Parts: sequence; structure tokens; C-alpha cells
Amino acid sequence: GQQVMQIPQYQHVQEGEDFTTYCNSSTTLSNIQWYKQRPGGHPVFLIQLVKSGEVKKQKRLTFQFGEAKKNSSLHITATQTTDVGTYFCAGWGAGNMLTFGGGTRLMVKP
Amino acid sequence: DGGITQSPKYLFRKEGQNVTLSCEQNLNHDAMYWYRQDPGQGLRLIYYSQIVNDFQKGDIAEGYSVSREKKESFPLTVTSAQKNPTAFYLCASSEQGIGYNEQFFGPGTRLTVL
Repeated sequence: GQQVMQIPQYQHVQEGEDFTTYCNSSTTLSNIQWYKQRPGGHPVFLIQLVKSGEVKKQKRLTFQFGEAKKNSSLHITATQTTDVGTYFCAGWGAGNMLTFGGGTRLMVKP
Repeated sequence: DGGITQSPKYLFRKEGQNVTLSCEQNLNHDAMYWYRQDPGQGLRLIYYSQIVNDFQKGDIAEGYSVSREKKESFPLTVTSAQKNPTAFYLCASSEQGIGYNEQFFGPGTRLTVL
């Protein structure tokens, strides 16, 4: 079945450093969504990418969808302590269900 | 105040007992989902329902059962057949059961089986 892998699993950064998490699917995706889960909380929707090569920005966050629609990335510029949490990608593909990646846990040292 | 509620927040059960987790939404969403999250892991789909009185198995349905008698309610029963039930359970909903709709999550229920 469809698999979605995310790397790295964990990332420690100093406040002010940049951060990137990568998402790779075993199959071509119709779209990809990104969610953030704060420690002890529940996932919250951030954004959705649909078009091949699409790039979207939300303040310090930049999201990209690969040309082949099999990979995606989330880049955070100048991290802040409020960015702490686990970032999940989730892809919709041939299985007709949203498949979540394992997540990247971001820790920010002040 | 629209949203998804799950109860209880923490639940303890003895091994061999069935337990039912509640999920209610007042967003008027057609689709509802149950996910399981283990420490440091992603979300795995247990069951989903795109419409009342209909539901489908997800990737890890064994040992679980659901019902969808009302649009706003999608309870999950963790049966004694589930070999490792201790986990964080998340309920979600979306306008329709297709991939282009974002999913809204409830606060989750943390189940511990002793």
C-alpha cells in the first residue's frame, strides 16, 4: 500500500536557526497536507498543496510540492520557541485515504 | 462554538475489557475518522465513515469496531481482541470524505490498559 516517509524523525535547533522536514511518498499523490501537533495536543491543519511544483508561504513557513508529486518539504526560517512541535505531512493517493507520515519532532533551544 | 469533542481525556481499563471512546462533532461534517497514535509515531487510520450508517476499515481495524448511527457521532470500541490497545486515540472529521478536505481533530483520548 501507499507509504509516506518523513525525515528527520527529530531535529534540535538553536532559536533563530532554520529547519526543514522532508516528506516522500511511495506513490504519486493527488495532494499533500501539512499538520502541526504541539506537545500534548492534537494535529492542526496548516496547509494543502495540490499542483505539481507548487510553493506556498505562511509567514516564516515555506511549503513545496515536488514536480513529480511524490515529495514535499516544509522549511521554517529563523525558528522561534513557538515553532516547537511535531510536523506531519499527509498525502492523498491511490488508496483513497489520507496517509500520514511519521512526523518530524522539532525542538528549539532558546 | 463548533468543534469536535472526545471523552474522556484519560481512560484506564483492565486487560480483557471492552471500552468505548466517544467522539462528537457539531461542524455538520459528513466524514469522520479514528486514528491511533503511539509515542513518537505518526497517525494510523483505524476506521472512517463518509456518511451515516456506512463505514470502512482503515489500515489497522483489527480489534476495533465502530458505528455511525448519527451524523454527529462516531464512537469507537476497543475490544479485548486488540492485542496492544494502550495508545492515544484521535477522532477527526472533514466536510466530505475526500482528500481535498482538511481534517479537524478532537483533543484525543489517552487509553491505558493495565
